[in-house]
Amino acid sequence: DGGITQSPKYLFRKEGQNVTLSCEQNLNHDAMYWYRQDPGQGLRLIYYSQIVNDFQKGDIAEGYSVSREKKESFPLTVTSAQKNPTAFYLCASADRQGHGYTFGSGTRLTVV
Amino acid sequence: AQSVTQLGSHVSVSEGALVLLRCNYSSSVPPYLFWYVQYPNQGLQLLLKYTSAATLVKGINGFEAEFKKSETSFHLTKPSAHMSDAAEYFCAVSDGGATNKLIFGTGTLLAVQP
Repeated sequence: DGGITQSPKYLFRKEGQNVTLSCEQNLNHDAMYWYRQDPGQGLRLIYYSQIVNDFQKGDIAEGYSVSREKKESFPLTVTSAQKNPTAFYLCASADRQGHGYTFGSGTRLTVV
Repeated sequence: AQSVTQLGSHVSVSEGALVLLRCNYSSSVPPYLFWYVQYPNQGLQLLLKYTSAATLVKGINGFEAEFKKSETSFHLTKPSAHMSDAAEYFCAVSDGGATNKLIFGTGTLLAVQP
């Protein structure tokens, strides 16, 4: 079955470390997105990519980086510059026909 | 620019009662509108979508929504709430254009009382 897979489901980061969250889709979708979710704040867009080897900053890109070397993959790196990284991170993908997003099951990142 | 407003961050209903979650949008072009549901510690699941066909849209789990252009609304309803409907619900708007980027509301947490 086609879908979008995020891993790991839970991730712990020490102060000053970079960590990478994985997002893989086999839906043949062109566009992929990363959102951050905090309690009471809805979804905030971090980065998005409409095509391979191209991506754009969202509303809260500072302290994050991405790459899009393959259509299927859109990993997110949370760098040490992100001062408050504890949150639930959601990856999504979409086709060009306006059918809406398909979401992964999320990664919960905690700073220890 | 597009935007979405969800009225009521928390809604509580009794089991068997009508569910009504409100969503108003702003868009300079004919919008595509979506409702998503999120259960705790999970991703978002598409409930239903409006893409300029029928104005009354039926979705999964007995939910439906009506697009009202004159009121710029896309409220979500279900005739009879079930305990399993307790979740957070997000309304979203897109211009359906090349980017297809969705703008999400801040969500409404639905509680269902026995």
